[in-house]
Amino acid sequence: QSALTQPASVSGTPGQSITISCTGTSSDVGTYNLVSWFQQHPGKAPKLIIYAGSRRPSGISYRFSGSKSGNTASLTISGLQAEDEGDYYCCSYIDAATPYAFGPGTRVAVL
Amino acid sequence: EVQVLESGGGLVQRGGSLRLSCEVSGLIFSNYAMTWVRQAPGKGLEWVSSISGIGGSTYYADSVKGRFNISRDNSKNTLYLQMNGLTADDTALYYCAKGPHPTAAVGSGLDSWGEGTQVTVSS
Repeated sequence: QSALTQPASVSGTPGQSITISCTGTSSDVGTYNLVSWFQQHPGKAPKLIIYAGSRRPSGISYRFSGSKSGNTASLTISGLQAEDEGDYYCCSYIDAATPYAFGPGTRVAVL
Repeated sequence: EVQVLESGGGLVQRGGSLRLSCEVSGLIFSNYAMTWVRQAPGKGLEWVSSISGIGGSTYYADSVKGRFNISRDNSKNTLYLQMNGLTADDTALYYCAKGPHPTAAVGSGLDSWGEGTQVTVSS
């Protein structure tokens, strides 16, 4: 069972904005600014799209943005495109013994 | 360009052992924390183990603690995962990934993933 919770699925139409939530606790997401987001297409390796809560790696589209409020981190995809379909995972630092914990993943569908 | 290449997976009987390797090129390997993440068929991502850049600190998920051992040889730019006492629950695609910046602490993020190596445990 994941320490983090995410919605199982989110959908939108092309051009819309969607937001995926990732809820932890006051001891992890609420304390540390160490939430990452990964995009995974079928049969492919995960790809880092956001780290340190809101930072985008080089080459990642500005359409992806990260934020946090309290114990919940969020990933927003603006200007939704067909290529954005896939699975999205959040990941957070938990404590000194558990540097990474993944959420269960959210399936994004572009209608 | 950073390249990450995992190897060593295969089919093994329950209770058996395997050693996975992950060769990284295109960077100063010793500057980066490294991590193993696995994904069971049709399932989500699961953190397995991490190691600091110089190898002084190691971390394990409860599900593998006492059975798996992570190590690195910075002279060979290679990360390892020794897996013992394998069970069906260890069947997964095992990915290797590096930290986002030189000297970034374990827990800072994971970029430059390899394509994974498949481990299948038969009963």
